[in-house]
Amino acid sequence: AQTVTQSQPEMSVQEAETVTLSCTYDTSESNYYLFWYKQPPSRQMILVIRQEAYKQQNATENRFSVNFQKAAKSFSLKISDSQLGDTAMYFCASRGGSQGNLIFGKGTKLSVKP
Amino acid sequence: DVKVTQSSRYLVKRTGEKVFLECVQDMDHENMFWYRQDPGLGLRLIYFSYDVKMKEKGDIPEGYSVSREKKERFSLILESASTNQTSMYLCASNRPRTGYNEQFFGPGTRLTVL
Repeated sequence: AQTVTQSQPEMSVQEAETVTLSCTYDTSESNYYLFWYKQPPSRQMILVIRQEAYKQQNATENRFSVNFQKAAKSFSLKISDSQLGDTAMYFCASRGGSQGNLIFGKGTKLSVKP
Repeated sequence: DVKVTQSSRYLVKRTGEKVFLECVQDMDHENMFWYRQDPGLGLRLIYFSYDVKMKEKGDIPEGYSVSREKKERFSLILESASTNQTSMYLCASNRPRTGYNEQFFGPGTRLTVL
């Protein structure tokens, strides 16, 4: 069975600093996709960044970037220049199943402090 | 702008009641999903549907059923609500297994069963 593990239930960071959220996964698929989703307090879940396993280059979206280590099955999220609006639950997910349903980790609650 | 809507943000029901949670998407997506979100457990898949009138059980289908009579609408039904079904329920949709297969989420329904 596919699994996604987030080992940090909670993290905090000072505004303007950099933080890295960890994620490891296990999949038997030859090609697969990995995602980081953000869920701000009482707000909708939105996609932060995504990575296709075949692509060697790490994905980047503005202040968000990933460190994708395929051999180690690791997919960490780095947030640079943290802002108060980054305070949220962050979920790592992999695409599994024949119909594209996602397998989610248990989430990391990130607090950005002023 | 893509949109997934859920019928209620907050819902309070009594034990034994029949509960309907509605989800509508306007992106003409084939796939729709119902997740349950609990602290420390992440998101767990209840049911998903890959076409009208088609459904597949997810990881925790017990106590739930679903209905998809139209492509844009996916309903989650609690036949006889119980207190252990108090949770946040998230609906999502995406296209079938093509490309990134990103899922788009609704705002969630926080259900309390008394």
